[in-house]
Amino acid sequence: DVKVTQSSRYLVKRTGEKVFLECVQDMDHENMFWYRQDPGLGLRLIYFSYDVKMKEKGDIPEGYSVSREKKERFSLILESASTNQTSMYLCASSTPWGRGGQPQHFGDGTRLSIL
Amino acid sequence: AQKITQTQPGMFVQEKEAVTLDCTYDTSDPSYGLFWYKQPSSGEMIFLIYQGSYDQQNATEGRYSLNFQKARKSANLVISASQLGDSAMYFCAMRSNTGKLIFGQGTTLQVKP
Repeated sequence: DVKVTQSSRYLVKRTGEKVFLECVQDMDHENMFWYRQDPGLGLRLIYFSYDVKMKEKGDIPEGYSVSREKKERFSLILESASTNQTSMYLCASSTPWGRGGQPQHFGDGTRLSIL
Repeated sequence: AQKITQTQPGMFVQEKEAVTLDCTYDTSDPSYGLFWYKQPSSGEMIFLIYQGSYDQQNATEGRYSLNFQKARKSANLVISASQLGDSAMYFCAMRSNTGKLIFGQGTTLQVKP
């Protein structure tokens, strides 16, 4: 069965800390994504990657960076956490573009609180 | 600009009845895909159903069907015979030819016993 695993379900950090959110997929997918989810706003794309060491900015990349050193792992980094980054973070993976109805597969999410 | 709109923040349905969740989209691309996801209170996003822009027939998956009206740019999700376990948030999403997914705001569905 397909599996996207996020390292933490709940995380509490302090303002100014450097925060790492880890995501691992076991489906050999080329594409990986990081979203944040806020009430009334749906999911918004932060960054995505279509290959190892490749990354592209999404709609809201400010304050975030990413790392993809291995195909199966995609990390989201909050360089200096701020309270407005308190949110639900979702990682997803998929096959390359254009493969019909192949969906993105999501992890269980990380609820991050910045105090 | 590409956009997905879900105008129903919350809905109620009686158990065993059918319910329609609305989704409209805006794109100028001729090739796109439409997805519906379910998110229970536990947080995981579960893929339900897919409709391609060139598909001639409406997609169906078990109790889920997609009422695709291309001219109206709508892709409504129909859940037949609602069950208590259907209570969740539902998201409509569109994949453009760049491959990125654009999500709507979501609709919270509550099924009453």
